[in-house]
Amino acid sequence: DADVTQTPRNRITKTGKRIMLECSQTKGHDRMYWYRQDPGLGLRLIYYSFDVKDINKGEISDGYSVSRQAQAKFSLSLESAIPNQTALYFCATSDLGGGTGSGNEQFFGPGTRLTVL
Amino acid sequence: GQNIDQPTEMTATEGAIVQINCTYQTSGFNGLFWYQQHAGEAPTFLSYNVLDGLEEKGRFSSFLSRSKGYSYLLLKELQMKDSASYLCAPHRNFNKFYFGSGTKLNVKP
Repeated sequence: DADVTQTPRNRITKTGKRIMLECSQTKGHDRMYWYRQDPGLGLRLIYYSFDVKDINKGEISDGYSVSRQAQAKFSLSLESAIPNQTALYFCATSDLGGGTGSGNEQFFGPGTRLTVL
Repeated sequence: GQNIDQPTEMTATEGAIVQINCTYQTSGFNGLFWYQQHAGEAPTFLSYNVLDGLEEKGRFSSFLSRSKGYSYLLLKELQMKDSASYLCAPHRNFNKFYFGSGTKLNVKP
């Protein structure tokens, strides 16, 4: 079974609709992240959470919100979707690590392809 | 973003060696990750360098120069399955991960 799962895998919606993307993990990691990926722009961090009570904005948080319901679950919401939010969205997790060791590597879910018409 | 610079695309022949370079901002730098991403799939971890020098892991090696803000990924004995994008990701301030836009590697027969 996959360690990091995302639902849905694909979604087509209309401008103005509210959308929630969900992420679950069985790795027991404290840290979870949401990224979007656009062609030519690489991965950009939307929000991240270091534990259930911790939520932080990333580079491009405008138009998005998140909820960390449990250690294993981290949801991303688009309150009113717009076409330029069409992208591939990835959830990722990482262990606490020591700040300098390879235990900080991130484990990514399979991605959600979102199209906003 | 974050001034991470890596070539957009490279082409190499099966069996050859290819080096993918990456330069980045050094402020708050902790270490540097390399990830591999096949088209339409999730990135997967390849390597992490925190100290200067070369780290070898099978056919893949990664080099870091902290003072120069420079890293490279070296792929030897290229195989067709190595065709993918390679993402350079500096780790800064212990809690910030930044990704370059990736280098798309095309391996030809």
